[in-house]
Order: sequence, then C-alpha cells, then structure tokens
Amino acid sequence: DTGVSQDPRHKITKRGQNVTFRCDPISEHNRLYWYRQTLGQGPEFLTYFQNEAQLEKSRLLSDRFSAERPKGSFSTLEIQRTEQGDSAMYLCASRFPTQGSGANVLTFGAGSRLTVL
Amino acid sequence: LAKTTQPISMDSYEGQEVNITCSHNNIATNDYITWYQQFPSQGPRFIIQGYKTKVTNEVASLFIPADRKSSTLSLPRVSLSDTAVYYCLVGDARNYGGSQGNLIFGKGTKLSVKP
Repeated sequence: DTGVSQDPRHKITKRGQNVTFRCDPISEHNRLYWYRQTLGQGPEFLTYFQNEAQLEKSRLLSDRFSAERPKGSFSTLEIQRTEQGDSAMYLCASRFPTQGSGANVLTFGAGSRLTVL
Repeated sequence: LAKTTQPISMDSYEGQEVNITCSHNNIATNDYITWYQQFPSQGPRFIIQGYKTKVTNEVASLFIPADRKSSTLSLPRVSLSDTAVYYCLVGDARNYGGSQGNLIFGKGTKLSVKP
C-alpha cells in the first residue's frame, strides 16, 4: 500500500452534470478526510469519517455535495448539478487512529482536479 | 479551533536557512502544531509536528516557546526544490465527533528559493 489514491486525477464536466470522486486511503487508516482547494488558497475542510461513520458534515458546501464511506474503506465524494464555482482540487487524506504524537499527521492523496465548463 | 497567522510569502536563496513563523495565540492545551509542505498540483505533505520546545527531524526543525503562542519552522540550507507553500496547523485531531476532529488550513506561506 503506497499511499492515498484518488480517482480520477482530472475531470472536466459541463455545468449541471453530476461528478463522483473516489478515495482509497491507506488500509490501516480509519479516519478519512475530504478537503477542497481553490487556486491560491489553503485546503478547505469539507467532511470526515471515522470508519464508516461520517462525524462531521456541516462544512459541506451545499446540499449538492455528499460523501459516503459505506464499508469503512474507500470513500466517494459526489457533487450534483455542478456549477462553475465548483471548479477546484478535491483532496482526500487519511490518518491512523493514534493518540498523542502523530495525532494530526494526515497523509494526503494527489487530489482530483475538477473543471466545470 | 485555534487560528494561525503566517506571512503570505518569503524569498530566499539556495543554501540559506529559512525560518517561517506562525502565530497561534488561542492554541488550546491539547493542540499540536503541525507543518505541511505543498507543491503545485500535489496534496500537502507532512513535514514536522510538535507540542512544545524543539523538535528536529531529517527535514526541518520546529521551535515552540514555552507559551506556545507561536512556532517557527526552520529549514536548513534550502534548495530550489524547497520552493513550495508551507502550512502551519494547530489542532487536536484525536477528538471524536463534531467540528473538533477536523484540521483547518490557512493560506500558508509561499516560499520562493532562488539560485
């Protein structure tokens, strides 16, 4: 297991279409995070999972955004009825369920870049 | 969650030591300080983490004063490949549930290393 994998790396879609991104975390990691990053900004937190439980989703940008992690392994982030403002890099990260040192060490994937025309 | 303040950008030359300071006046007792590095079109990469005093690894050093209201990332003898954005985060991702378990990124510091 070489790291966090995200697919697709690039997605170009037309406004109004639905898109889905997949994240495969490091297998031993039980926490999984989704972030969005626009040009010149830091990653913006969207949601996170502890195994299959979605513990925080209030930061999802609108009801068009949803995320799942049905078996506590891979996760998907779906954007319905995409808008041009959704164009961004969508990052996934995961971490060990550690205590103490290492608690905030996230391993990020390379991201999925979305372009909405 | 504590907010952080960093310089927007810094310039340096190859071979110099670079120090990037981050202010986090409202850091909580259980918060750790973590620094990430990000290259264009890549996800952030963990550099170093600390709670207090000094931490050193093969890449960088992290200096944290006793009051923990700031921290300084030190990169020794930078090279062109150190050109990146550096993010300082404070938080305690051990917390379960709600908004306490997430980690918030600021805008980071864009470091440019010149020949």
